[in-house]
Amino acid sequence: QKEVEQDPGPLSVPEGAIVSLNCTYSNSAFQYFMWYRQYSRKGPELLMYTYSSGNKEDGRFTAQVDKSSKYISLFIRDSQPSDSATYLCAMILTSGTYKYIFGTGTRLKVLA
Amino acid sequence: NAGVTQTPKFQVLKTGQSMTLQCAQDMNHNSMYWYRQDPGMGLRLIYYSASEGTTDKGEVPNGYNVSRLNKREFSLRLESAAPSQTSVYFCASSENLADTQYFGPGTRLTVL
Repeated sequence: QKEVEQDPGPLSVPEGAIVSLNCTYSNSAFQYFMWYRQYSRKGPELLMYTYSSGNKEDGRFTAQVDKSSKYISLFIRDSQPSDSATYLCAMILTSGTYKYIFGTGTRLKVLA
Repeated sequence: NAGVTQTPKFQVLKTGQSMTLQCAQDMNHNSMYWYRQDPGMGLRLIYYSASEGTTDKGEVPNGYNVSRLNKREFSLRLESAAPSQTSVYFCASSENLADTQYFGPGTRLTVL
């Protein structure tokens, strides 16, 4: 079993839709949680960074962490064609063995 | 301020050839990383350097060596390339291990 599971998609939605992207993880020791966006043939770039359970909002993006269920989500409101990209979740463990684990990514296409 | 730069952008090798991928960052970050990205596998950590003078193995270190030349530069060497090393290689840096990582544009490597 992978430590981090992410549905690869692709996910196609109409412009203006609310998008929900999710990851589950198996190691309850993960401390920090991130969402990265990666456009085709580019390096990933950070969207959201959280370290506690609950919600964090930044513009049209909301990151949600549920440590009891080992589940994280990214919501995109009023999705735009420019949001079409691959979204990667990532998690960090720094106590004991250092781990920075990425999910496999979900491909999102927002249709105009 | 260029961020993280990588050279070369593309490379084709024959099995058994060696090469070094170069990475430099101008953000005065302490930590640097090398990843490979393969379809369906996501980003996998090859090696990382928590600070100048230290290097550690990541998830998939076999077949690779690294050198943290100074605070700015972190190189990845393939001593005897194999077709299984065909991938896109990303270098990243962060202020410290638990911080946001900033990625370079990637090197597309094909081993024939």
